[in-house]
Amino acid sequence: EIVMTQSPATLSVSPGEGATLSCRASESVGSKLAWYQHKPGQAPRLLIYGASTRATGIPARFSGSGSGTEFTLTINSLQSEDFAVYFCQEYKNWPPWTFGQGTKVEIK
Amino acid sequence: QVQLQESGPGLVKPSQTLSLTCNVSGNSITTDDYYWSWLRQPPGKGLEWIGYIYYTGTTYYAPSLKSRVSISFDASKNQVSLRLTFVTAADTAVYFCARNTDGYSSYFDHWGQGTLVTVSS
Repeated sequence: EIVMTQSPATLSVSPGEGATLSCRASESVGSKLAWYQHKPGQAPRLLIYGASTRATGIPARFSGSGSGTEFTLTINSLQSEDFAVYFCQEYKNWPPWTFGQGTKVEIK
Repeated sequence: QVQLQESGPGLVKPSQTLSLTCNVSGNSITTDDYYWSWLRQPPGKGLEWIGYIYYTGTTYYAPSLKSRVSISFDASKNQVSLRLTFVTAADTAVYFCARNTDGYSSYFDHWGQGTLVTVSS
């Protein structure tokens, strides 16, 4: 089973600033990496799949990069609605697909 | 607009069976385009994929839960169900249903908001 490790656990950012979130896989997953946003009491929202492809309706301030074992989610100019928990997921091959523990982006 | 909504008891006693339902709207669960998964997130921990079902009835479960879990669907109600037997406190979690596009290599493009299930006597 592939282990996904996210860092940092918490990121304090001022509105308007940028944020960089990291996700590392214990073995190569190629580009089979997705990012999600999750707010309390709401359904998680798919942001990025294929490591860098934005899902339908996702603003351009969200971008994903990386391949193999190292991945990054970048959020440019954080808006108030962007403060949430972000988690990554690998889907390299047969289930169980695995998730990172999440990074909480909070208001500084 | 695809929407998923989980429902079921919020409290289950140890050794009993957890049963949840996911009501799907905006997308028939019997099309060949999608798979329907259950996932969970214990308090303070990461997400864990539980299993999925395809419109053919094909299921695939996480090895760690395979002996206790079953997923089924009711096409007439457009609902997907989860059963988890012999629960313990370790099964306390927020349970989510979600749609995935592939049975081999897939992300989840639509999720429910989740329902908290606590296992306690």
